[in-house]
Amino acid sequence: DAGVIQSPRHEVTEMGQEVTLRCKPISGHDYLFWYRQTMMRGLELLIYFNNNVPIDDSGMPEDRFSAKMPNASFSTLKIQPSEPRDSAVYFCASSLRQSSYNEQFFGPGTRLTVL
Amino acid sequence: SQQGEEDPQALSIQEGENATMNCSYKTSINNLQWYRQNSGRGLVHLILIRSNEREKHSGRLRVTLDTSKKSSSLLITASRAADTASYFCAPSGAGSYQLTFGKGTKLSVIP
Repeated sequence: DAGVIQSPRHEVTEMGQEVTLRCKPISGHDYLFWYRQTMMRGLELLIYFNNNVPIDDSGMPEDRFSAKMPNASFSTLKIQPSEPRDSAVYFCASSLRQSSYNEQFFGPGTRLTVL
Repeated sequence: SQQGEEDPQALSIQEGENATMNCSYKTSINNLQWYRQNSGRGLVHLILIRSNEREKHSGRLRVTLDTSKKSSSLLITASRAADTASYFCAPSGAGSYQLTFGKGTKLSVIP
């Protein structure tokens, strides 16, 4: 398996623009997580899905952020409009519910810079 | 989910030495996981220890768990420059599928 795939790897945009980050989880995994990492706040969980259904979005910072998972192999995180404080590395991770294991597999991340 | 707190925040050692980092947490767990993050990369799962286990090994890694003290330690023996990374612990409760990560321990191994 290719692992968790994220695109783009780098995104530079201007304030006010819409940004869409994409994630393809590992085939067969039924949990998908979106994280944001900054120096100041560390690694924050934004939202996670189980079987394509959002379970907990309490980490989504504002209404400007939205996430969807239209099918088991694709998820998007959208920021509209983007602001400079959204600059961060965004990670997607997936896991498989199997007994008590909840090991997560992370993608390489998308480095977002909002000017 | 609960967050683990790693200690120290930063650790610098010479190649060949052992590195020990600690994790504390607050409530009962089902398992505790350790992850590594190389600069500019995603986290990579290293090892999982269950609440009924006290020690676990994987290659040069040794993890201990003391549930009475709500703490865990990760020992990397005979460190290499390639071990330079940030290390995170993630305690997980029963039935919990989300993980909350702390600030991690930044390990620097000097050649």
